[in-house]
Amino acid sequence: NAGVMQNPRHLVRRRGQEARLRCSPMKGHSHVYWYRQLPEEGLKFMVYLQKENIIDESGMPKERFSAEFPKEGPSILRIQQVVRGDSAAYFCASSPPGSSNIQYFGAGTRLSVL
Amino acid sequence: AQSVTQLGSHVSVSEGALVLLRCNYSSSVPPYLFWYVQYPNQGLQLLLKYTTGATLVKGINGFEAEFKKSETSFHLTKPSAHMSDAAEYFCAVSGLKAAGNKLTFGGGTRVLVKP
Repeated sequence: NAGVMQNPRHLVRRRGQEARLRCSPMKGHSHVYWYRQLPEEGLKFMVYLQKENIIDESGMPKERFSAEFPKEGPSILRIQQVVRGDSAAYFCASSPPGSSNIQYFGAGTRLSVL
Repeated sequence: AQSVTQLGSHVSVSEGALVLLRCNYSSSVPPYLFWYVQYPNQGLQLLLKYTTGATLVKGINGFEAEFKKSETSFHLTKPSAHMSDAAEYFCAVSGLKAAGNKLTFGGGTRVLVKP
């Protein structure tokens, strides 16, 4: 059973470009979480999604950031018009239905904005 | 609201010595508590968790943690450090919620193991 898969592992963007980060949850998992780890800081919650629904987006910046988890395919975290402050490691976690307090993490996508 | 405080952003231990990482939390509901480990350029791996029941929980790689409600603590210990324990450790809390729950993390403690 493959773990949580994130791609790309590393992403370089210039200021003003768009970044798209993908997350495929573990097989059978229907809950997806996105977290951001800024340099020298802990992880901060961004958004929690189930298939086709955003359940909790209380940690998402108000502008430029969006997330989706379609019926088919991976979850996508999209950052429009990236700025240098968006440089961070973005981690996705998934959990199965019914025991969603245990989250399994992917290896992360490290975004660098030039 | 929930929060987690990890005392000490860096800890240095000698190989074979006790590892003690401190974690205090605040939560308005009974907490679920977790310790995760992160090796360089990797994701987080679950070490152990406390949900209900026995307050002393054992995890992988010889780690254990004790939930002390009166002290709002969940300190992580390992009797004898190994070089492979060098990593960053995160304590996290989530609340008792039926469907889905965000994790609130502490700032992390980076462990250095000296030979």
